[in-house]
Amino acid sequence: GNSVTQMEGPVTLSEEAFLTINCTYTATGYPSLFWYVQYPGEGLQLLLKATKADDKGSNKGFEATYRKETTSFHLEKGSVQVSDSAVYFCALFTGGGNKLTFGTGTQLKVEL
Amino acid sequence: DAGVTQSPTHLIKTRGQQVTLRCSPKSGHDTVSWYQQALGQGPQFIFQYYEEEERQRGNFPDRFSGHQFPNYSSELNVNALLLGDSALYLCASSLVATSGANVLTFGAGSRLTVL
Repeated sequence: GNSVTQMEGPVTLSEEAFLTINCTYTATGYPSLFWYVQYPGEGLQLLLKATKADDKGSNKGFEATYRKETTSFHLEKGSVQVSDSAVYFCALFTGGGNKLTFGTGTQLKVEL
Repeated sequence: DAGVTQSPTHLIKTRGQQVTLRCSPKSGHDTVSWYQQALGQGPQFIFQYYEEEERQRGNFPDRFSGHQFPNYSSELNVNALLLGDSALYLCASSLVATSGANVLTFGAGSRLTVL
């Protein structure tokens, strides 16, 4: 079956530090990969996506590259801000309906 | 333009009771999916409704049931509540003509606590 594994949190960084949140996956077929962000008290928001191998998704300074050879989709940002503090979820979709498979989430805390 | 609206935002029930959660999809959307997010976990897919029928279901028992109304809004019902049903229940909507995970809009969720 499909599964997503994320690095455990919380991850605590100082403002302007470099961020990496690791994500690996197991899937049948050729999944699309996503990063969602959840701010306190809010629903999930799509951060970025990639639909095929070697695609790079990017948004708001965040990037992730779909690596089929390592089945990974690591999230990176060159300089984090306090406003980036949230929980980040890696997810995959293999088609058919709206069934996303999520990882357990990684909480990011950015301090001044 | 209102996004996905869920109610209630918080509720407390006791074991064995039944609960109904409600979702109004984003304007223009016709498909509703429900997810359960336990504390510290990622969301788990419960089921999806389109044209008032359940189209896809995740690994959840029959105690979890749903309904979609002609105006596309939806309800999630959980019977015989267990402590383990305590979670944030997320509703997501989309337009079937553009289906796919990248066009899902999520609501803020309904936080259910079972005592």
